[in-house]
Amino acid sequence: EPEVTQTPSHQVTQMGQEVILRCVPISNHLYFYWYRQILGQKVEFLVSFYNNEISEKSEIFDDQFSVERPDGSNFTLKIRSTKLEDSAMYFCANRDRSGANVLTFGAGSRLTVL
Amino acid sequence: GESVGLHLPTLSVQEGDNSIINCAYSNSASDYFIWYKQESGKGPQFIIDIRSNMDKRQGQRVTVLLNKTVKHLSLQIAATQPGDSAVYFCAENGGQTGANNLFFGTGTRLTVIP
Repeated sequence: EPEVTQTPSHQVTQMGQEVILRCVPISNHLYFYWYRQILGQKVEFLVSFYNNEISEKSEIFDDQFSVERPDGSNFTLKIRSTKLEDSAMYFCANRDRSGANVLTFGAGSRLTVL
Repeated sequence: GESVGLHLPTLSVQEGDNSIINCAYSNSASDYFIWYKQESGKGPQFIIDIRSNMDKRQGQRVTVLLNKTVKHLSLQIAATQPGDSAVYFCAENGGQTGANNLFFGTGTRLTVIP
């Protein structure tokens, strides 16, 4: 079964450092998403990306966050200057076409900011 | 953001019994709902979905019921097995066609007692 692959599985960083989380989407899936889950809390939408641009973003996705597809396949989430409250599990998700509603999630990248 | 909540944060059932996990949503415009299962250390996995033009949908050992009048959703798991132990999230699309993003509830932890 096709999978969404995320790296790293766990990253520990110092406050103020830049972090890049990577996602290898399912081939031919056109819609990309980042969600985050603070420990013990619900999964929260961050941003959606289609046709090489952001289609929607939440209030959480402020100027410290950015997304891109640097090589046309991988999908990255960058946090420019991490804060303690950025510590969370970050999930990449894909959707294959506009009519399909099901998001397929990766296993997540755990970010710990010290 | 949208308000999607769960009545109970934890649920323990005996192996072989049926489980019922409930979810309330507040956005009357939501027309698509999904149940996800999240096992420890993994991303959310799709279980079953339902559109607002339906009241009930059945899958393998799972049934989702939708009551639009009271904005309530439930997931029924028949003959619960130890492998069903996980956190279960309901999610809704907030009435957005094509579910550009999903709004998740807090989650219910299901523990199956052997």
